[in-house]
Amino acid sequence: KAGVTQTPRYLIKTRGQQVTLSCSPISGHRSVSWYQQTPGQGLQFLFEYFSETQRNKGNFPGRFSGRQFSNSRSEMNVSTLELGDSALYLCATSASGQLNEKLFFGSGTQLSVL
Amino acid sequence: QKEVEQDPGPLSVPEGAIVSLNCTYSNSAFQYFMWYRQYSRKGPELLMYTYSSGNKEDGRFTAQVDKSSKYISLFIRDSQPSDSATYLCAIGSGGSYIPTFGRGTSLIVHP
Repeated sequence: KAGVTQTPRYLIKTRGQQVTLSCSPISGHRSVSWYQQTPGQGLQFLFEYFSETQRNKGNFPGRFSGRQFSNSRSEMNVSTLELGDSALYLCATSASGQLNEKLFFGSGTQLSVL
Repeated sequence: QKEVEQDPGPLSVPEGAIVSLNCTYSNSAFQYFMWYRQYSRKGPELLMYTYSSGNKEDGRFTAQVDKSSKYISLFIRDSQPSDSATYLCAIGSGGSYIPTFGRGTSLIVHP
């Protein structure tokens, strides 16, 4: 079974631009979560989607948004990029989106904002 | 006080040592416990998952949960240089789909 696939692996953008990241879950997985990881803050939860609906949301500004498609693939978008948005963005998926499920992560997208 | 506390390290040990990695948590509603290993520039990889107090063993890895003390540990026996990575604990409650992650402990195993 293929793992969680995130594209692109690396991105370099400038302040004010916008960016879209993609996540393809493990086949059959229906829940997709997004995390931001930085050396200073660790792993911070952005949002979680299940059956094309945002079910949980972390404490991030509205510049961060996401969506999920009918095939469970998900995208997240960051508009008006700031220097502080430089981070590793990780996608994690779980099988049926139930409580206490194991999460499986992709390799992440390393975003650098200049 | 953060919900999940984890010493960032780095923790440096010689090859073959027994490694002890720990997390403490404050919310007694937490019910399930995970350990992830993350290599540089990679995503976290699930190592251990448990939802009860006591020990769970998998090869060289043992996860230990003490709910009364709100303390969890990951032990690595016969550590190898390939174990050098950041280890994150993740703890969840029955009422949430989203676990809370520790900041991670950086482990260095030198030959």
